[in-house]
Amino acid sequence: QKEVEQNSGPLSVPEGAIASLNCTYSDRGSQSFFWYRQYSGKSPELIMFIYSNGDKEDGRFTAQLNKASQYVSLLIRDSQPSDSATYLCAVNKGYAGNNRKLIWGLGTSLAVNP
Amino acid sequence: ETGVTQTPRHLVMGMTNKKSLKCEQHLGHNAMYWYKQSAKKPLELMFVYNFKEQTENNSVPSRFSPECPNSSHLFLHLHTLQPEDSALYLCASSQAMSLYSNQPQHFGDGTRLSIL
Repeated sequence: QKEVEQNSGPLSVPEGAIASLNCTYSDRGSQSFFWYRQYSGKSPELIMFIYSNGDKEDGRFTAQLNKASQYVSLLIRDSQPSDSATYLCAVNKGYAGNNRKLIWGLGTSLAVNP
Repeated sequence: ETGVTQTPRHLVMGMTNKKSLKCEQHLGHNAMYWYKQSAKKPLELMFVYNFKEQTENNSVPSRFSPECPNSSHLFLHLHTLQPEDSALYLCASSQAMSLYSNQPQHFGDGTRLSIL
């Protein structure tokens, strides 16, 4: 089992629809969860981060965390063609110690069709 | 300038060359990171510095040598690289790392490295 798993896609949604991106992780001790967007040929850009169970909303984006089921999701409402990108999920590796390392998923490719 | 700046943007080098990648952050952060991004692979953490101290070396070959002279600057010195080292090398910075959580990381535009 991969430490952080994402469906590679492509996920294709029509403009204006809700895009739902999912990420599962293996380490029950993980406490920090991040979503990044990466356009082709560009570097990752932070979209959302969440530390507690439940939902966190920021504009059109909502992150949902369920630690019991070990998944974190990202919802994009009113999807726009400019949202077309690869979405990376990153989860910290939960181990006792002075440093916490982020483990990254392979990313889900999202295509929003006009 | 704002954010995280990396130079050069592109680098082509032979296997026997020595070169350095540079990263500078203007965000007032105290942690800096080097990542390698290859096609079809997840981002691979290479090195982490927290308050100028190296806190993570993720089993990186010695042909990659990091240097962090202060909290704003990070270098990656390259020597006798292999063709499989061709990749996008990304620098990131964040607030200082803590015991219990990670701070969001902000990335530079990366250096596209090609080894001949």
